[in-house]
Formats: sequence, structure tokens, C-alpha cells
Amino acid sequence: GQQLNQSPQSMFIQEGEDVSMNCTSSSIFNTWLWYKQDPGEGPVLLIALYKAGELTSNGRLTAQFGITRKDSFLNISASIPSDVGIYFCAGPNYGGSQGNLIFGKGTKLSVKP
Amino acid sequence: DAGVTQSPTHLIKTRGQQVTLRCSPKSGHDTVSWYQQALGQGPQFIFQYYEEEERQRGNFPDRFSGHQFPNYSSELNVNALLLGDSALYLCASRLGQFEGNTEAFFGQGTRLTVV
Repeated sequence: GQQLNQSPQSMFIQEGEDVSMNCTSSSIFNTWLWYKQDPGEGPVLLIALYKAGELTSNGRLTAQFGITRKDSFLNISASIPSDVGIYFCAGPNYGGSQGNLIFGKGTKLSVKP
Repeated sequence: DAGVTQSPTHLIKTRGQQVTLRCSPKSGHDTVSWYQQALGQGPQFIFQYYEEEERQRGNFPDRFSGHQFPNYSSELNVNALLLGDSALYLCASRLGQFEGNTEAFFGQGTRLTVV
């Protein structure tokens, strides 16, 4: 079945650092979504990508839809403490709607001690 | 404008019991999906309701059932609870089952603990 693999699983950030994470799949997706989840909350959509090769920004966040349609990247520039949380990539399962999403296992962002 | 609201926020049940979780979609939304999120994992799709019918279903046993009411709110029922059903249950709503690229909004979830 469809699977999304996220890397890294976790990372530590120091304020001001740039952060990169990615998501890969063995099958093609026609939409890539990036969510952030804070403790005790539901996921919040950060960026949606609908076209292969598309590069989209949302403030300090930039995401790209890979041209093979099998990967996507999320970059966070000049990280701040509130960037801490879990970031998930997601896509519609078997070409379905956003009501039926498949998620990766997440990349956990923590502050460097 | 209230977003997606779920109740209760936390719940503790005993193995073998039954549980009902509730979800009110964001105003203007007519489609509700339910997800199970185990600790350290991403959410997993359970099923989707549109026009009061189950339209899509993930890989979950029949112990998981649901309902959608005329006001678009929804319930998730789990029978014969197992320890492995302990998870955060998320509800997401959107407008239309397939229309365009409308965003799905998530509620804060119900944390279910089975003991």
C-alpha cells in the first residue's frame, strides 16, 4: 500500500538555524500537504502543494513538490522556539480527497539543550 | 467562527467496554473524517462520512463504526475495546467529499485510554 517515509525522525534546533526535512513515497501523489502538530492539539495545515515542481512559501516556511511526484521537502528558515513540534507530510490516499489522507510518521523538532 | 470541536477531550475506558466520541465540524463543512493517532505515529484514516453515509473506509475492523447526523456532526463508536485502541482520535472536516482542493481542518482530538 501507499506509505510516506519522513526523515529525519527527529532533530534539535538552535534559534536562528535553518531546518530541512523531507518526505518520500514509493508511489505517486498528486497533492502534498505539510502539517504541524503541537502537544495536545490536532494537526494544522502549513502548506499545500498541488503541482509537480511547485515551490510554495508561507512566511519562513518553504515547501517543494518533487518533479517525480514521489517526494516533497519542507524548509524552515531562521527557526524560533515556537517552531518546536511534530511536522507531518500527508497526501490523499489512492487519489482520493483530502478527507482521506495518508500521513508520514513525522519529524519531531526540539530545542537544542 | 468555531473550528472543529470534539468531545470529550479525555476518556478512560475498561477493556471490553464500548465508547462514543463526538465531533462538530467547522461551520460550512459537510464532510467529516475520523483518524486514529497512536503514540509516536502519524494519524491513520478510519472512515469518512458525507451526506450521512460512510463513503470511504480505512483498514479498521467492524468494531469501529460511525454516524453522521443531518446537522453534519458525527459520532465514532468503538465496541469491545482493546488495549491497542488507546490513542488520540482526531476528527477532520471539509467542504465536499471530492470538490477541489478545499482544506481539511482537524479538531484537537479525544485522548482515549483503555485499561
